[in-house]
Amino acid sequence: DVKVTQSSRYLVKRTGEKVFLECVQDMDHENMFWYRQDPGLGLRLIYFSYDVKMKEKGDIPEGYSVSREKKERFSLILESASTNQTSMYLCATSRTLGRGQYFGPGTRLTVT
Amino acid sequence: SQQGEEDPQALSIQEGENATMNCSYKTSINNLQWYRQNSGRGLVHLILIRSNEREKHSGRLRVTLDTSKKSSSLLITASRAADTASYFCATLVGGSYIPTFGRGTSLIVHP
Repeated sequence: DVKVTQSSRYLVKRTGEKVFLECVQDMDHENMFWYRQDPGLGLRLIYFSYDVKMKEKGDIPEGYSVSREKKERFSLILESASTNQTSMYLCATSRTLGRGQYFGPGTRLTVT
Repeated sequence: SQQGEEDPQALSIQEGENATMNCSYKTSINNLQWYRQNSGRGLVHLILIRSNEREKHSGRLRVTLDTSKKSSSLLITASRAADTASYFCATLVGGSYIPTFGRGTSLIVHP
């Protein structure tokens, strides 16, 4: 079974802090994704990566950056957290683009 | 932009009943996927149906796809309390490699 882990289930940060969310997968998948999920808005893609050091912007990349130095690890960075970045953040992986994705348990981030 | 839209937004049924939820979309797709999300958790991939397929089964799940109507349905037969979750459709539009998720249907199954 694919295992996707995220560094924290719950996180509380202050406005202006730099925040790192980490995602690790153990199935050697090429593709990794970061989404945020908000009530009434569904899942929105922030960034995805199709290979080490490769990244593509999703629908809402503003205020975020990502890092993929190793195949199994994909980090989402909030350079200066703001209250409108309070959300559930979900990491996902897939072996093949366009096929089913495997999701981590999510990190509920609150920015105060 | 939101491609798939689930209907209804919320569904409440008794254990043992069937649950049907629908997904409508606007443009031609390569495939359509259904996912389940238990409260406060990540999503779990249930079924992928390709644009040239009309029906797929997986255990108590049955998915249909009608490309002429640009719609899909997910049927859960003989529902259980453990089926309580949100269900999302995700569409893969031609030329894209990233599925677009709808807002989901919230299903509650009462024991």
